[in-house]
Amino acid sequence: KQEVTQIPAALSVPEGENLVLNCSFTDSAIYNLQWFRQDPGKGLTSLLLIQSSQREQTSGRLNASLDKSSGRSTLYIAASQPGDSATYLCAVKRDTGFQKLVFGTGTRLLVSP
Amino acid sequence: GAVVSQHPSRVICKSGTSVKIECRSLDFQATTMFWYRQFPKQSLMLMATSNEGSKATYEQGVEKDKFLINHASLTLSTLTVTSAHPEDSSFYICSASPHGQGIAGELFFGEGSRLTVL
Repeated sequence: KQEVTQIPAALSVPEGENLVLNCSFTDSAIYNLQWFRQDPGKGLTSLLLIQSSQREQTSGRLNASLDKSSGRSTLYIAASQPGDSATYLCAVKRDTGFQKLVFGTGTRLLVSP
Repeated sequence: GAVVSQHPSRVICKSGTSVKIECRSLDFQATTMFWYRQFPKQSLMLMATSNEGSKATYEQGVEKDKFLINHASLTLSTLTVTSAHPEDSSFYICSASPHGQGIAGELFFGEGSRLTVL
């Protein structure tokens, strides 16, 4: 059974800092990995999608890497801003033909002005 | 990107009543939709896979008679929480993938529905 863990569970940083969020998964047989953002009481916003054959994806100040063999992914946020405060979730999709996502435990980020 | 709409966004009901939550794909057709449940400060747990025109597939531990799922068309899936109790209070989120894209299809998420059972 796939298990996805995120470290740290919570993170508080001052504005402007660069930060790294970690995601690990137990079964490396994945099709892709996706990072989401969730604001309180809201749905999910997709940030980055990394296919299993890719090593990283970038979008603006965000960079996500994937090491499939070791079961790890990181989300790097450069020059953090208060508007980045949210919960960040990673999720993996199995490579067995199904579209189900298994979500990580999430990291709650607070960026202070 | 594609839009998935959920309704209602918030619902409060009395214990023992049933509540229906709708999930619509607004600009694409979805053969498969997924229903997730999220407790406060926890991650999303998959409840069931909703298949258009056939029975839903429930995850282990999810009561199918408690959480009725109907996927009557390629753009609409409904989740009905029957005889709701306070422990059913939660945030329910649906997701959908455009028809025909298979495993490669990106999943799009609704805004969620917060259910509070008094």
